[in-house]
Amino acid sequence: NAGVTQTPKFRVLKTGQSMTLLCAQDMNHEYMYWYRQDPGMGLRLIHYSVGEGTTAKGEVPDGYNVSRLKKQNFLLGLESAAPSQTSVYFCASSSWLAGSMETQYFGPGTRLLVL
Amino acid sequence: AQKITQTQPGMFVQEKEAVTLDCTYDTSDPSYGLFWYKQPSSGEMIFLIYQGSYDQQNATEGRYSLNFQKARKSANLVISASQLGDSAMYFCAMREGRGAQKLVFGQGTRLTINP
Repeated sequence: NAGVTQTPKFRVLKTGQSMTLLCAQDMNHEYMYWYRQDPGMGLRLIHYSVGEGTTAKGEVPDGYNVSRLKKQNFLLGLESAAPSQTSVYFCASSSWLAGSMETQYFGPGTRLLVL
Repeated sequence: AQKITQTQPGMFVQEKEAVTLDCTYDTSDPSYGLFWYKQPSSGEMIFLIYQGSYDQQNATEGRYSLNFQKARKSANLVISASQLGDSAMYFCAMREGRGAQKLVFGQGTRLTINP
Protein backbone atom coordinates (compact mmCIF):
# COMPACT_ATOMS: atom_id res chain seq x y z
CA ASN A 1 0.00 0.00 0.00
CA ALA A 2 1.25 3.45 -0.92
CA GLY A 3 -0.93 5.10 1.74
CA VAL A 4 -1.51 8.77 0.96
CA THR A 5 0.33 10.26 -2.00
CA GLN A 6 0.47 13.88 -3.20
CA THR A 7 1.31 15.35 -6.58
CA PRO A 8 3.37 17.46 -7.15
CA LYS A 9 6.01 17.55 -4.41
CA PHE A 10 7.08 21.11 -5.19
CA ARG A 11 5.76 23.90 -7.39
CA VAL A 12 6.54 27.52 -8.10
CA LEU A 13 3.70 29.73 -9.34
CA LYS A 14 3.43 33.35 -10.37
CA THR A 15 0.73 35.50 -8.79
CA GLY A 16 -2.55 34.97 -10.59
CA GLN A 17 -1.74 31.53 -11.99
CA SER A 18 -3.90 28.54 -11.23
CA MET A 19 -3.02 25.01 -10.27
CA THR A 20 -4.47 21.79 -8.87
CA LEU A 21 -2.92 19.64 -6.18
CA LEU A 22 -3.81 15.96 -6.31
CA CYS A 23 -4.18 13.69 -3.31
CA ALA A 24 -4.73 9.95 -3.65
CA GLN A 25 -5.23 7.27 -0.99
CA ASP A 26 -5.44 3.51 -1.37
CA MET A 27 -6.82 2.68 2.08
CA ASN A 28 -10.50 2.97 1.13
CA HIS A 29 -10.94 5.78 3.66
CA GLU A 30 -14.18 7.72 3.72
CA TYR A 31 -12.77 11.01 4.97
CA MET A 32 -10.15 13.18 3.31
CA TYR A 33 -8.67 16.53 4.31
CA TRP A 34 -6.48 19.35 3.04
CA TYR A 35 -4.32 21.31 5.48
CA ARG A 36 -1.77 24.07 5.08
CA GLN A 37 1.27 24.62 7.26
CA ASP A 38 2.94 28.00 7.43
CA PRO A 39 6.43 28.48 8.92
CA GLY A 40 6.51 27.99 12.68
CA MET A 41 2.88 27.01 12.88
CA GLY A 42 0.72 23.96 13.19
CA LEU A 43 -1.50 22.69 10.42
CA ARG A 44 -4.76 24.47 9.60
CA LEU A 45 -7.68 22.78 7.89
CA ILE A 46 -8.64 24.20 4.48
CA HIS A 47 -11.40 21.86 3.28
CA TYR A 48 -12.49 18.34 3.99
CA SER A 49 -14.73 15.63 2.58
CA VAL A 50 -16.80 12.99 4.33
CA GLY A 51 -17.43 10.99 1.17
CA GLU A 52 -17.46 10.90 -2.59
CA GLY A 53 -19.21 13.95 -4.02
CA THR A 54 -19.29 15.89 -0.74
CA THR A 55 -17.00 18.66 0.50
CA ALA A 56 -17.07 21.16 3.34
CA LYS A 57 -15.14 24.23 4.46
CA GLY A 58 -12.55 24.12 7.17
CA GLU A 59 -10.83 26.86 9.12
CA VAL A 60 -9.12 28.69 6.21
CA PRO A 61 -11.09 27.96 2.97
CA ASP A 62 -10.82 31.32 1.18
CA GLY A 63 -8.99 31.21 -2.15
CA TYR A 64 -9.27 27.42 -2.51
CA ASN A 65 -11.73 25.02 -4.07
CA VAL A 66 -11.90 21.24 -3.78
CA SER A 67 -13.52 18.30 -5.48
CA ARG A 68 -14.01 14.64 -4.56
CA LEU A 69 -15.29 12.92 -7.68
CA LYS A 70 -13.80 9.56 -6.72
CA LYS A 71 -13.50 8.11 -3.23
CA GLN A 72 -9.75 7.70 -3.50
CA ASN A 73 -8.95 11.19 -4.82
CA PHE A 74 -9.26 14.67 -3.33
CA LEU A 75 -8.25 17.67 -5.44
CA LEU A 76 -7.30 21.11 -4.12
CA GLY A 77 -7.49 23.99 -6.57
CA LEU A 78 -6.06 27.48 -6.50
CA GLU A 79 -7.86 29.58 -9.13
CA SER A 80 -5.70 32.69 -8.80
CA ALA A 81 -2.64 32.12 -6.65
CA ALA A 82 -1.49 34.82 -4.22
CA PRO A 83 1.82 35.13 -2.30
CA SER A 84 -0.15 34.53 0.92
CA GLN A 85 -0.80 31.00 -0.32
CA THR A 86 2.88 30.14 -0.17
CA SER A 87 2.86 27.21 2.21
CA VAL A 88 3.28 23.49 2.60
CA TYR A 89 0.07 21.62 1.82
CA PHE A 90 -0.75 18.32 3.45
CA CYS A 91 -3.46 15.89 2.48
CA ALA A 92 -4.77 13.35 4.99
CA SER A 93 -7.33 10.58 5.10
CA SER A 94 -9.10 8.64 7.82
CA SER A 95 -11.71 6.00 8.29
CA TRP A 96 -14.70 5.90 10.57
CA LEU A 97 -14.72 2.64 12.43
CA ALA A 98 -16.70 2.30 15.65
CA GLY A 99 -14.27 2.02 18.53
CA SER A 100 -11.20 2.93 16.47
CA MET A 101 -8.76 5.67 17.31
CA GLU A 102 -9.72 7.41 14.08
CA THR A 103 -6.17 8.31 13.17
CA GLN A 104 -5.52 10.58 10.22
CA TYR A 105 -2.84 9.40 7.84
CA PHE A 106 -0.90 12.17 6.15
CA GLY A 107 0.71 12.47 2.76
CA PRO A 108 4.30 13.72 2.36
CA GLY A 109 3.27 17.31 1.62
CA THR A 110 3.47 19.69 -1.35
CA ARG A 111 5.68 22.74 -1.04
CA LEU A 112 4.16 25.68 -2.95
CA LEU A 113 5.89 28.98 -3.59
CA VAL A 114 3.90 31.85 -5.09
CA LEU A 115 5.99 34.71 -6.44
CA ALA B 1 -9.37 31.62 22.00
CA GLN B 2 -6.72 29.03 21.32
CA LYS B 3 -8.16 25.55 21.35
CA ILE B 4 -4.76 23.87 21.64
CA THR B 5 -1.89 25.52 23.47
CA GLN B 6 1.68 24.33 23.45
CA THR B 7 3.66 26.69 25.66
CA GLN B 8 7.17 25.36 24.94
CA PRO B 9 8.48 26.66 21.59
CA GLY B 10 11.70 24.69 22.06
CA MET B 11 13.18 22.13 24.42
CA PHE B 12 16.68 20.74 24.79
CA VAL B 13 17.21 17.38 26.49
CA GLN B 14 20.17 15.08 27.02
CA GLU B 15 20.04 11.73 25.30
CA LYS B 16 18.50 8.95 27.43
CA GLU B 17 16.63 11.39 29.64
CA ALA B 18 12.84 11.48 29.80
CA VAL B 19 11.06 14.53 28.41
CA THR B 20 7.56 15.93 28.85
CA LEU B 21 5.97 18.10 26.16
CA ASP B 22 3.06 20.19 27.40
CA CYS B 23 -0.35 20.52 25.77
CA THR B 24 -3.50 22.13 27.11
CA TYR B 25 -6.81 22.20 25.29
CA ASP B 26 -10.12 23.98 25.43
CA THR B 27 -13.45 22.43 24.53
CA SER B 28 -16.99 22.20 25.86
CA ASP B 29 -17.75 19.04 23.88
CA PRO B 30 -17.77 15.95 26.15
CA SER B 31 -16.60 13.76 23.26
CA TYR B 32 -13.18 14.58 21.88
CA GLY B 33 -9.88 13.02 20.97
CA LEU B 34 -6.33 14.17 21.50
CA PHE B 35 -3.45 13.29 19.20
CA TRP B 36 0.28 13.79 19.13
CA TYR B 37 2.18 13.93 15.84
CA LYS B 38 5.92 14.09 15.18
CA GLN B 39 7.32 16.07 12.27
CA PRO B 40 11.00 15.40 11.58
CA SER B 41 13.10 17.72 9.43
CA SER B 42 12.06 15.70 6.37
CA GLY B 43 8.56 17.17 6.81
CA GLU B 44 6.21 14.23 7.05
CA MET B 45 3.60 14.00 9.82
CA ILE B 46 3.97 10.84 11.90
CA PHE B 47 1.18 9.76 14.25
CA LEU B 48 2.45 8.91 17.73
CA ILE B 49 -0.40 8.44 20.20
CA TYR B 50 -4.11 8.98 20.77
CA GLN B 51 -6.27 9.59 23.84
CA GLY B 52 -10.06 9.57 23.76
CA SER B 53 -12.00 11.73 26.21
CA TYR B 54 -13.79 8.69 27.62
CA ASP B 55 -10.69 6.54 27.94
CA GLN B 56 -10.16 5.60 31.57
CA GLN B 57 -6.45 4.93 31.31
CA ASN B 58 -3.60 6.99 29.93
CA ALA B 59 -2.54 5.91 26.47
CA THR B 60 0.86 4.32 25.94
CA GLU B 61 2.72 3.37 22.75
CA GLY B 62 6.21 2.03 23.30
CA ARG B 63 8.37 4.89 24.63
CA TYR B 64 5.49 7.33 24.30
CA SER B 65 2.85 7.89 26.94
CA LEU B 66 0.17 10.51 27.31
CA ASN B 67 -0.40 12.09 30.72
CA PHE B 68 -4.11 12.87 30.43
CA GLN B 69 -5.51 15.12 33.16
CA LYS B 70 -9.10 15.75 32.16
CA ALA B 71 -10.00 18.20 34.91
CA ARG B 72 -6.98 20.34 34.05
CA LYS B 73 -7.60 19.90 30.30
CA SER B 74 -4.05 18.83 29.71
CA ALA B 75 -2.62 16.05 27.55
CA ASN B 76 1.14 16.05 27.94
CA LEU B 77 3.34 13.74 25.90
CA VAL B 78 6.04 11.87 27.80
CA ILE B 79 8.95 10.35 25.90
CA SER B 80 11.03 7.98 27.98
CA ALA B 81 14.72 7.27 27.33
CA SER B 82 15.04 9.90 24.59
CA GLN B 83 17.08 9.13 21.48
CA LEU B 84 18.84 11.36 18.95
CA GLY B 85 16.18 10.39 16.42
CA ASP B 86 13.52 11.98 18.62
CA SER B 87 14.74 15.43 17.59
CA ALA B 88 11.80 16.91 15.68
CA MET B 89 8.75 19.18 15.91
CA TYR B 90 5.93 17.75 17.99
CA PHE B 91 2.32 18.79 17.52
CA CYS B 92 -0.63 18.26 19.80
CA ALA B 93 -4.03 18.16 18.07
CA MET B 94 -7.67 17.81 19.08
CA ARG B 95 -10.74 16.44 17.37
CA GLU B 96 -14.10 17.57 18.76
CA GLY B 97 -17.24 15.52 18.57
CA ARG B 98 -17.78 12.53 16.31
CA GLY B 99 -17.99 12.16 12.57
CA ALA B 100 -15.57 14.02 10.34
CA GLN B 101 -12.36 14.33 12.24
CA LYS B 102 -11.48 17.95 11.88
CA LEU B 103 -8.22 18.35 13.73
CA VAL B 104 -7.11 21.57 15.39
CA PHE B 105 -3.36 21.75 15.90
CA GLY B 106 -1.18 23.57 18.39
CA GLN B 107 1.83 25.57 17.24
CA GLY B 108 4.24 22.81 18.10
CA THR B 109 7.33 22.27 20.24
CA ARG B 110 10.77 21.80 18.70
CA LEU B 111 12.58 19.08 20.63
CA THR B 112 16.34 18.77 20.35
CA ILE B 113 18.13 15.78 21.85
CA ASN B 114 21.76 16.42 22.71
CA PRO B 115 24.31 13.55 22.69
